[in-house]
Parts: sequence; C-alpha cells; structure tokens
Amino acid sequence: QVQLVQSGAEVKKPGASVKVSCKASGYSFTSYGISWVRQAPGQGLEWMGWISTHNGNTKYAQKIQGRVSMTTDTSTSTAYMELRSLRSDDTAVYYCAREGVYSSSWPYYFDYWGQGTLVTVSS
Amino acid sequence: EIVLTQSPGTLSLSPGERATLSCRASQSVSSSYLAWYQQKPGQAPRLLIYGASSRATGIPDRFSGSGSGTDFTLTISRLEPEDFAVFYCQQYGSSPLTFGGGTKVEIK
Repeated sequence: QVQLVQSGAEVKKPGASVKVSCKASGYSFTSYGISWVRQAPGQGLEWMGWISTHNGNTKYAQKIQGRVSMTTDTSTSTAYMELRSLRSDDTAVYYCAREGVYSSSWPYYFDYWGQGTLVTVSS
Repeated sequence: EIVLTQSPGTLSLSPGERATLSCRASQSVSSSYLAWYQQKPGQAPRLLIYGASSRATGIPDRFSGSGSGTDFTLTISRLEPEDFAVFYCQQYGSSPLTFGGGTKVEIK
C-alpha cells in the first residue's frame, strides 16, 4: 500500500533552517511527483511547491521562492523540503503529498498524504 | 493567482441530511481542474473528488462533485456520522495551486 512517512517534529529559532523528509513506499517513486503543503495552526492549506521525482524539476510558490528548496533521493525514495530564514509565521504542519497523475510534468491534485510534520519557530 | 472562496463557512446539519458546499473561483478554472478534500482534526486531508466530478478511489457514492468555470459544488447526499469534518476545494489549473478557506460541516 502507498505510504508517505515524514520526519518528526522540529523546533527552530527565527533565522534558522529546517529540512523535512518524506519517505515513500508501496509504489514506483519516480512515477509520481511530490508536492509540499503547509497548514498554520487553525488555518487552511497552502501549497508550497512541487518536485518531479523523475527529473528533479521544481515549481515553487512565489511567496516562499528564494527560501525553499525541494529535492529527492531516488535511491531511498525520499523527498526533502528545506525552508530557510525561518520566521514565526512559518510555524505550521508541513505535509508531503503525492500527485494523483502518473508521470506528470505539472502539479495536480494529491491522492496520498504524509502524516504531517509540525515545525515550530520560536525564540 | 486564483482565489477560491468557499461558502458557507460552517454548515450545521444532522446525520441523514443533505450537505451542499460551494466553491467559487476568482477566475475560470481551466479544464475543470478542481479537487475536493476532507480533513478531520489531527489528520491529513483525504482526496474526495478530482476533475470537478470524478470520485477518488474508495470514496462512497454519497459524495458527488459538479460545476465548471468559476462555480463548483460538493454534495453529500446523506450525511453519515463519519462525514463531519472540514472540506477544502483546490484548483490545479494554474500556478500557484490554491485552496479555498474551507467549510466546516458540524453536527447540529
């Protein structure tokens, strides 16, 4: 069965960086892209960006472009999201989510989600 | 950026009743690239509908989606106790992908 298992909760100080991992299993990792979506406490969902697990192409939301990097390690079927220069309003649960479209070159909808990783930014 | 506005913010209904949720886009969503998700407290979202009207794998047929252009609807024909949650629409026709603010369906 398809599973996305994310790394554990993090507490960071303002200005620091965080790197969250998302290990996939149960399907061919390079056949489906991965997006990252975050949710601030009590708030809605915000798409952060997408990475093609086939060729590493990325597409980032303009709001965080310049502070975010998405990468993959195909040897371990793991996707990573690094967010730099953290601010208090980056406090959120971060989700990785699998694209619902096979071998897409564009982010679509998300059919499987990780369990979420809480990142707290506090001095 | 396409802004999605969901209404109502909260829907108070009883089990067995019909729920109608609205998602309105600030501009036309190309190719009806609209999805719906259900999220329960402490859980990740679950895909219900994609392509405006196609049910995801394993989703009961009491969930249905409709609409095109700028107006989309999620209908739950008869609410079951496990359906009470927050529902989000999402467009994937243009970048950035965006989500609506959510509709909470609560037990009356």
